[in-house]
Amino acid sequence: QKEVEQNSGPLSVPEGAIASLNCTYSDRGSQSFFWYRQYSGKSPELIMFIYSNGDKEDGRFTAQLNKASQYVSLLIRDSQPSDSATYLCAGFRQGGKLIFGQGTELSVKP
Amino acid sequence: KAGVTQTPRYLIKTRGQQVTLSCSPISGHRSVSWYQQTPGQGLQFLFEYFSETQRNKGNFPGRFSGRQFSNSRSEMNVSTLELGDSALYLCASSWRTENTEAFFGQGTRLTVV
Repeated sequence: QKEVEQNSGPLSVPEGAIASLNCTYSDRGSQSFFWYRQYSGKSPELIMFIYSNGDKEDGRFTAQLNKASQYVSLLIRDSQPSDSATYLCAGFRQGGKLIFGQGTELSVKP
Repeated sequence: KAGVTQTPRYLIKTRGQQVTLSCSPISGHRSVSWYQQTPGQGLQFLFEYFSETQRNKGNFPGRFSGRQFSNSRSEMNVSTLELGDSALYLCASSWRTENTEAFFGQGTRLTVV
């Protein structure tokens, strides 16, 4: 079992819809979690950072963390074609180590 | 505020050569970590430095090494390059090692021929 697993893609949603990206992790020692967006040929861009149970909202993005269920999600409201990218979930381990999932490719259709 | 700067952006090297990549973190950030990204393996952790000390290392051979200077800038070195070392090498910067945002540089695209 991989330490961080993301729902397999590609995920396709129409413009204006809500995109839901999911991630589970196996190591309860992971203290905080990140969502990065990566466009093809570019480096990962930090979208959300969450370390407390519950929801965290930033504009059109909402991250949800449930440590009991070892589950992290990212909701993108009012999805735009510019949101089309690969979304990477990562768990933060002690010693500055990020463990990444395999990524979920999101396609937002106009 | 300047972001994370990696140099060079692109490199082409021959098998057997060695290469040094550089990463300048965001001002005030003391933690620099390095990652290798390939289509097959995704993003994999190489090592992390905090205040000039390597605090964590991933499962890579000893050909991969790094260091951090007193100004927090970090270098990564790969010796005896192999074709499989072709990848995007990314560094991430954060001001401490736990529970804080980590920001990536633009990466160095290394091609080994």
